[in-house]
Amino acid sequence: AQKVTQAQTEISVVEKEDVTLDCVYETRDTTYYLFWYKQPPSGELVFLIRRNSFDEQNEISGRYSWNFQKSTSSFNFTITASQVVDSAVYFCALGEGFQKLVFGTGTRLLVSP
Amino acid sequence: EADIYQTPRYLVIGTGKKITLECSQTMGHDKMYWYQQDPGMELHLIHYSYGVNSTEKGDLSSESTVSRIRTEHFPLTLESARPSHTSQYLCASSANRVHYGYTFGSGTRLTVV
Repeated sequence: AQKVTQAQTEISVVEKEDVTLDCVYETRDTTYYLFWYKQPPSGELVFLIRRNSFDEQNEISGRYSWNFQKSTSSFNFTITASQVVDSAVYFCALGEGFQKLVFGTGTRLLVSP
Repeated sequence: EADIYQTPRYLVIGTGKKITLECSQTMGHDKMYWYQQDPGMELHLIHYSYGVNSTEKGDLSSESTVSRIRTEHFPLTLESARPSHTSQYLCASSANRVHYGYTFGSGTRLTVV
């Protein structure tokens, strides 16, 4: 069965600190996709990244980076030098083939000035 | 530019009223979904559709109903609104395979007084 665990319910940091959001997944498929979405206070979910199970290369996009490790079934998300605008709820999700996405319960990030 | 549209963005309505939340997408996606999200953050799937004339109940029981008469349109209806229906409702769509994840609408914040 598919499952996504985001153990951190809420994280509070001060601006310019680095912060890592954890995501652990469970799946029996060899082909699957992992996602991160950002939900700012305005409410919509914004797509951040997609990763397929055959590509373990880490990715960096500006201040954002993602560490995908199949050995530990984790897909962690790091924000470097956090800013107030990063305050949001972040969701990790797992997708397999024709199945529905399975979402984690979300991590609320609060960045204070 | 959004490819999936939800209206209204905000709605305050009295108990007992019938309401319909609109969701339309222009991407030709076969699959569409409705999520309910309370302030506790977690996304709860309440309905989904894999195509025209196909609708299924999601993981969370809901008193709402949905219809899918056209590919692009997936409205959600509450026959008699109650304060317990106060929540954010998010609509999403995806291609047949979930390789690219979901595209979400901006959501409807419903308040029943």
